[in-house]
Amino acid sequence: AQSVTQPDIHITVSEGASLELRCNYSYGATPYLFWYVQSPGQGLQLLLKYFSGDTLVQGIKGFEAEFKRSQSSFNLRKPSVHWSDAAEYFCAVGAPGNTPLVFGKGTRLSVIA
Amino acid sequence: SAVISQKPSRDICQRGTSLTIQCQVDSQVTMMFWYRQQPGQSLTLIATANQGSEATYESGFVIDKFPISRPNLTFSTLTVSNMSPEDSSIYLCSALTVGGSYEQYFGPGTRLTVT
Repeated sequence: AQSVTQPDIHITVSEGASLELRCNYSYGATPYLFWYVQSPGQGLQLLLKYFSGDTLVQGIKGFEAEFKRSQSSFNLRKPSVHWSDAAEYFCAVGAPGNTPLVFGKGTRLSVIA
Repeated sequence: SAVISQKPSRDICQRGTSLTIQCQVDSQVTMMFWYRQQPGQSLTLIATANQGSEATYESGFVIDKFPISRPNLTFSTLTVSNMSPEDSSIYLCSALTVGGSYEQYFGPGTRLTVT
């Protein structure tokens, strides 16, 4: 069975600083990997996804993530954080065969001036 | 792609009552799921809604408490029965699209408060 670990419960960064949110997964084969963002009181929005191919994937809002099989990781990055990026970020893993996504516990991002 | 709508968007209910949440997808999808997000928590899968048959429940969730229907490919309901304050959560409908592009879409959620 798949599982996802997001080691950081809460991260605070200054506006304009770079950001990296960590995600480690457990799955026996090549997983499908996703990052979602949830702003307060809002639904889930897909930031980016990885199925295969290039291990560096670009997403919306200037986010990118890198799949590293050797480390079972799929970390999310952004070079310069904006105050509007403050939200909850969820990493999720899926598998072929129409199985539902399994989510990590989330990382809450706070952005300070 | 798929756009998912849910009704109601929020509700405040008294303990012991039941609430049925409706989920409508604007296109045919292979799978539909229901998740729960308790306050400040991540998403937990409740069940997979199977068309024309009984839903498949995850450990810790039972049909008597969370009956689910899926009469066709684009519609599903989740009922939260005999509610208690511990059922206060956001309930999200989700759908997996057809066509080989594995992408799971989410509805806006139903915010339930049980008093």
